Amino acid sequence: KNEVEQSPQNLTAQEGEFITINCSYSVGISALHWLQQHPGGGIVSLFMLSSGKKKHGRLIATINIQEKHSSLHITASHPRDSAVYICAVRSSETSGSRLTFGEGTQLTVNP
Amino acid sequence: DTAVSQTPKYLVTQMGNDKSIKCEQNLGHDTMYWYKQDSKKFLKIMFSYNNKELIINETVPNRFSPKSPDKAHLNLHINSLELGDSAVYFCASTLLGDRRETQYFGPGTRLLVL
Repeated sequence: KNEVEQSPQNLTAQEGEFITINCSYSVGISALHWLQQHPGGGIVSLFMLSSGKKKHGRLIATINIQEKHSSLHITASHPRDSAVYICAVRSSETSGSRLTFGEGTQLTVNP
Repeated sequence: DTAVSQTPKYLVTQMGNDKSIKCEQNLGHDTMYWYKQDSKKFLKIMFSYNNKELIINETVPNRFSPKSPDKAHLNLHINSLELGDSAVYFCASTLLGDRRETQYFGPGTRLLVL
């Protein structure tokens, strides 16, 4: 079983819908990252969280350390949000700031 | 200016060949990584260097050898390429100890072994 589990694996939405992607992890962490991988393959870091909530434009990320769970929300979704969203954790139990990745959520937003 | 660059972007080669992928970052970061993304899009760490010293070495075949000539460069040399090495290889960098420790990714190198 992967240390980082994401759900759903695939998500299709209509433009304008509110989207939630979930991430659960099983190890102690010092930080959690949300990444976006564009259809062309490039990877961009969206958020790094160690507690609470962060907002950037239409994107909101939350984390509950006690429950070992994080969510990424997209408000007023748009076709350009179509991408793979990847949750990654930095374990507090290993050195070197390594990231362990979830398998990603493929999001498709239709016009 | 590109923050993290990789060359080449595409690499098609025959089984048994030896090839290198290069990575450079101009962000002043002290830590660099190599990740492998398989056909199912799953990312997995391979190596990490901090100030030219190896700090992470996952269970990777000995055919893979990273080399860091300086803090801004981390190259990956692969000997005796196998079909299963076909994947996208991403380089990334960060500044350890920085509060955010955001990792910046290169564009990836798409390796196809025939």
